[in-house]
Amino acid sequence: SQQGEEDPQALSIQEGENATMNCSYKTSINNLQWYRQNSGRGLVHLILIRSNEREKHSGRLRVTLDTSKKSSSLLITASRAADTASYFCAYRRSTGANNLFFGTGTRLTVIP
Amino acid sequence: NAGVTQTPKFQVLKTGQSMTLQCAQDMNHEYMSWYRQDPGMGLRLIHYSVGAGITDQGEVPNGYNVSRSTTEDFPLRLLSAAPSQTSVYFCASKSDPLDYGYTFGSGTRLTVV
Repeated sequence: SQQGEEDPQALSIQEGENATMNCSYKTSINNLQWYRQNSGRGLVHLILIRSNEREKHSGRLRVTLDTSKKSSSLLITASRAADTASYFCAYRRSTGANNLFFGTGTRLTVIP
Repeated sequence: NAGVTQTPKFQVLKTGQSMTLQCAQDMNHEYMSWYRQDPGMGLRLIHYSVGAGITDQGEVPNGYNVSRSTTEDFPLRLLSAAPSQTSVYFCASKSDPLDYGYTFGSGTRLTVV
């Protein structure tokens, strides 16, 4: 399978705490992206990091990428109840078709 | 600007029936894809298209057909529905260059009985 793997599968934190999710993949990549999915809805693109980048920020989001370990992490700082959702990593391989392969997702619950 | 529109939102089919899931985007995106989402499996690519008249298979194409006669529309056809095709289906689109993120539709929840 080309799918990435994420851990933890589920994460429950208090509002105001930080949440960290990890993604691992198995091949060389061109870029890695993170998406959020609220229950029963489509996915929303959050942030993209290229293979030659190590860290990227967007608001309360911080993404890191370690291509030597084939892993990425998403940090959400000062979490809010509205951050409750599933989060998916997705990567584009550096060779082959221009497709995205998705991870299995982390279900984040932020308790008010 | 509606983004990516999928219809229907819900559908129940009997085994052996055929149907078409509709997807339309109004952003003039060249690249469109169909994914299915199953519990614990993440999203898996069914078919994709890099422009009008061009389609190709993804990870799980069996039992599905697609066509891309216009830039806007990318319908997914289930030829003979099977219970294993019970899933939530998402259509997504993006523009070139290749580094852009996808815009997703809100999904079609399909149950095959």
